[in-house]
Formats: sequence, C-alpha cells, structure tokens
Amino acid sequence: AQKITQTQPGMFVQEKEAVTLDCTYDTSDQSYGLFWYKQPSSGEMIFLIYQGSYDEQNATEGRYSLNFQKARKSANLVISASQLGDSAMYFCAMRDDILTGGGNKLTFGTGTQLKVEL
Amino acid sequence: ETGVTQTPRHLVMGMTNKKSLKCEQHLGHNAMYWYKQSAKKPLELMFVYSLEERVENNSVPSRFSPECPNSSHLFLHLHTLQPEDSALYLCASSQDDTAGPEKLFFGSGTQLSVL
Repeated sequence: AQKITQTQPGMFVQEKEAVTLDCTYDTSDQSYGLFWYKQPSSGEMIFLIYQGSYDEQNATEGRYSLNFQKARKSANLVISASQLGDSAMYFCAMRDDILTGGGNKLTFGTGTQLKVEL
Repeated sequence: ETGVTQTPRHLVMGMTNKKSLKCEQHLGHNAMYWYKQSAKKPLELMFVYSLEERVENNSVPSRFSPECPNSSHLFLHLHTLQPEDSALYLCASSQDDTAGPEKLFFGSGTQLSVL
C-alpha cells in the first residue's frame, strides 16, 4: 500500500498569495517523521520542513508551515506569500520505523508541480 | 562547495557499457543513500549505507552494484543496463541517529540515459 499520497499533480498560484500542497500518509507506527522537500529544475532536493509525530505544535520555517492533522493522517505544506522562485516540484516524505537504526529511510510521494504566476 | 556532490551530471550509455556514478559528501555524515527518480513515480530507495556497511538493498537488480569505501564516498557501478533504467539517480547523506529521524541532504543527481 502506498504510504505517502499527494493527490495534486500540478498547482498554480499567483505571486504573493498563499498555497496549500496536500499530503496524506499511512503508517501503523506511533513514532514517525514527516518531511517536505523542494526540487527545482536543477534536480537537487532541498529540505524545507520537518514535523515529528509527537510534536504538539505545527512546524514553521520562514514562509513554510506544516498543517499537521494527526487523526486525519495529513501533513499539508502551506507556502505563504508565494514567490516566482517557489516554482518547483514539492515532495512529501515520511520516515517511520524510527526506533530501528540502519539509516533514515524516507518514503516519498509522487510530488506536486507548483507554478507561481505573476 | 556544496554539501553533496554527484558526478557526472549527465550520462549516456549503451546497454553493454560499464560506468560508475560517484557521490561525495562534505558534511561529516555517517549514512549515504542511492535513490532512483523516474518520471511520474515516487523516488525509489535503492541502497543505504550506514557506518560504511550496506544496511538496505531494496530489491535492486544486480546490474546495479554499490560501493562505499569510506563515509564520505559512495559509488554506483552500472553494467548491462536496460532502457527502463534511464532515470535521475540521486545520492543523499544524513547523520544516522536512532534518537530520531534526520533530514537527508541530496546531491543534484546524475541524469542517466540508456540507449
């Protein structure tokens, strides 16, 4: 079963507006972590924000915030005041099975292509 | 100098060729990863090395052979590939800490085309 679901293959937003990128996940673990990455056309995956399953407050990093709804198993990314440079692919990812070692194995969704327009 | 460097950026090879992808991290991390990114598919984890030992081989065909000579370097040796192996191959590193998940730092990838 797919662990990370991103249902929006593409999104458009006007410059300076806010946009929400959806992500739902599936895990039976109680301890897990959720990540968002940005991939511009250059190819490099850039870390944006992290939310731990036990974190009581929603994570924020500058213009990025994570709307974490644990009961609904959703971890949506909110980008405020969109900029042209925000145009990129955005990936939601999860690390479960946290208590075992052996590397931080992330499972990724299929991504959302965001286009910021003037 | 970026944290994770991959070479080459682009590679075109025939099905009978042998080539290698190289990854180097300058972040002092102890875990390194190979991911495959195909169009319209999620990133697929291929291999994980933690403390220079392979801890994950995610059912990857034997025509892909990883090598991790030290904690800073990771290679992916390729031989007799198939056209469906054409993809972006991403290397990543992290600090493996069982106290909690750590973010991965990625390179820019090698765009591989198999003819």
